[in-house]
Amino acid sequence: EAQVTQNPRYLITVTGKKLTVTCSQNMNHEYMSWYRQDPGLGLRQIYYSMNVEVTDKGDVPEGYKVSRKEKRNFPLILESPSPNQTSLYFCASSLTGGADEAFFGQGTRLTVV
Amino acid sequence: AQSVTQPDIHITVSEGASLELRCNYSYGATPYLFWYVQSPGQGLQLLLKYFSGDTLVQGIKGFEAEFKRSQSSFNLRKPSVHWSDAAEYFCAVFSGGYNKLIFGAGTRLAVHP
Repeated sequence: EAQVTQNPRYLITVTGKKLTVTCSQNMNHEYMSWYRQDPGLGLRQIYYSMNVEVTDKGDVPEGYKVSRKEKRNFPLILESPSPNQTSLYFCASSLTGGADEAFFGQGTRLTVV
Repeated sequence: AQSVTQPDIHITVSEGASLELRCNYSYGATPYLFWYVQSPGQGLQLLLKYFSGDTLVQGIKGFEAEFKRSQSSFNLRKPSVHWSDAAEYFCAVFSGGYNKLIFGAGTRLAVHP
């Protein structure tokens, strides 16, 4: 089954404790991206990757890092989480980019206290 | 700058009633437009998309949308709503310059029995 898998689904952490949210897709897609969803703001892109070892900032990259060492995986790293990063996070993949159908993971609800 | 506006934050309809969700976009060239649905606890799923051609596009789950260039709109419609349609709906435009989707803030749909 074609899917994007994120882990964990829920995470509560403390300010400053490094964390990683994993994302994996099994569709051989080149393009992957991370979004955060906040009430009234819709989805905002954090980072995206057009292929292995190619990543770039989206609209709200501050406080986040990503890596793309393999085509299927695109982890999101918060080196020093802060309460304003409490949000719902989605990973998405598509064949080559934004005009293709994007497939989304189920989301990771992160709370930073 | 490209943007998407969904004027209605919440909409409530009765089961069996018709539905129209509004979407207005700001984009200089011919837009690529999308509607995604987010069911509770799930990621986003593509309902339909418009690239060119017929301005009335059909999607999954009985949804359709009409592109009106003169009004910069891409409203989503369904003739008869089912309780399972309760979800959040996002309109998006593809930004070719940045190779990414720009999402509206979303409209949350509640369906009364």
